[in-house]
Amino acid sequence: EDQVTQSPEALRLQEGESSSLNCSYTVSGLRGLFWYRQDPGKGPEFLFTLYSAGEEKEKERLKATLTKKESFLHITAPKPEDSATYLCAVQHYSGGGADGLTFGKGTHLIIQP
Amino acid sequence: NAGVTQTPKFQVLKTGQSMTLQCAQDMNHNSMYWYRQDPGMGLRLIYYSASEGTTDKGEVPNGYNVSRLNKREFSLRLESAAPSQTSVYFCASSESRRRNEKLFFGSGTQLSVL
Repeated sequence: EDQVTQSPEALRLQEGESSSLNCSYTVSGLRGLFWYRQDPGKGPEFLFTLYSAGEEKEKERLKATLTKKESFLHITAPKPEDSATYLCAVQHYSGGGADGLTFGKGTHLIIQP
Repeated sequence: NAGVTQTPKFQVLKTGQSMTLQCAQDMNHNSMYWYRQDPGMGLRLIYYSASEGTTDKGEVPNGYNVSRLNKREFSLRLESAAPSQTSVYFCASSESRRRNEKLFFGSGTQLSVL
């Protein structure tokens, strides 16, 4: 069964303390890996798409990387406004039917001042 | 910019009642989706509409029906609500369902079925 697993489930950091979030996946026929940010009471907001192993994308303090088995979301010198739940999703070829996104459960990130 | 608008934001139903969740997007997107989000689980696809005039089942379609009213609007109907349908529902849209297309989400509807 195709799976997307995110770790850790929750992470508390001090402002300025860099860290990484992990998304591991077991799907065949990867078409793209997505990172979303979700604030409380809101819908997810798109951050990045990664297509192939070795690819990297950056946006402000965030950098996403992709290998054949997992993706990392690196957060450099985070600020309190980076606090959110970060969702990973994988789009894969299903051979028909609903080949939509498979989402992980998310990592709840808290940045303390 | 409105983006994806969902109504209502909150709803409480009794078991067996029916209701329709409304969704509209103003980005001229072709594809629209309904997801549900439950604690401890990832977002799960209920139904989607790849283009105006078509709808297809997702991962968890049982107990739901959808209507793609026009290019802008995609509604989700619960005919006979059950407590298992207590969840947060998100509507989303994308330019198309082709590879790597990113989704734009609404702000969600929190539904409780008693």
